[in-house]
Amino acid sequence: GDSVTQMEGPVTLSEEAFLTINCTYTATGYPSLFWYVQYPGEGLQLLLKATKADDKGSNKGFEATYRKETTSFHLEKGSVQVSDSAVYFCALSRTDSSYKLIFGSGTRLLVRP
Amino acid sequence: SQTIHQWPATLVQPVGSPLSLECTVEGTSNPNLYWYRQAAGRGLQLLFYSVGIGQISSEVPQNLSASRPQDRQFILSSKKLLLSDSGFYLCAWSAYLGTGRSDTQYFGPGTRLTVL
Repeated sequence: GDSVTQMEGPVTLSEEAFLTINCTYTATGYPSLFWYVQYPGEGLQLLLKATKADDKGSNKGFEATYRKETTSFHLEKGSVQVSDSAVYFCALSRTDSSYKLIFGSGTRLLVRP
Repeated sequence: SQTIHQWPATLVQPVGSPLSLECTVEGTSNPNLYWYRQAAGRGLQLLFYSVGIGQISSEVPQNLSASRPQDRQFILSSKKLLLSDSGFYLCAWSAYLGTGRSDTQYFGPGTRLTVL
């Protein structure tokens, strides 16, 4: 079945460091891919998305590129801030069954000043 | 713009008591609506989704039920809570794009439920 795999956390970085959170997926066809962010005690916010191969989603300095050949959607940011500390979820939805979002287990990011 | 509300924000209930969580969406019509549960330190599990008034699909068998009495209202209920029902409950909406198709899902602020 469809699945999303994220790197284990927590990821601990110093402020202004480069961030990569790995995400790979298994799905038939061409799913849409998403990154959501969850700040402590809050719901999920859509961070970025990509709907077809080679699309690059970007928002608030974060980027992720839909790589069909490696079935990946890694999240990157060039310079993290303390305010980026949160849990990041990678997710996919299939075009033929897009009622359901398949989530990864989440990666906690801790950014130290 | 669209807004999604959930209440209450937090709830502490004894085992065996009933439950009613409410979710409402503003600024859109005929949305798809979803209930998710997030157990402590874990990912999200889809519980129910709805494509219209009175239309509910359940993803997992459990102690919970859902109802959609109005176009933009989605309710999660239980007759008797279990300890295992504790968690963070998130409601989400997406635009309806046709049968079997849906747009990006947007989440509410969540309800933290503790069953003692």
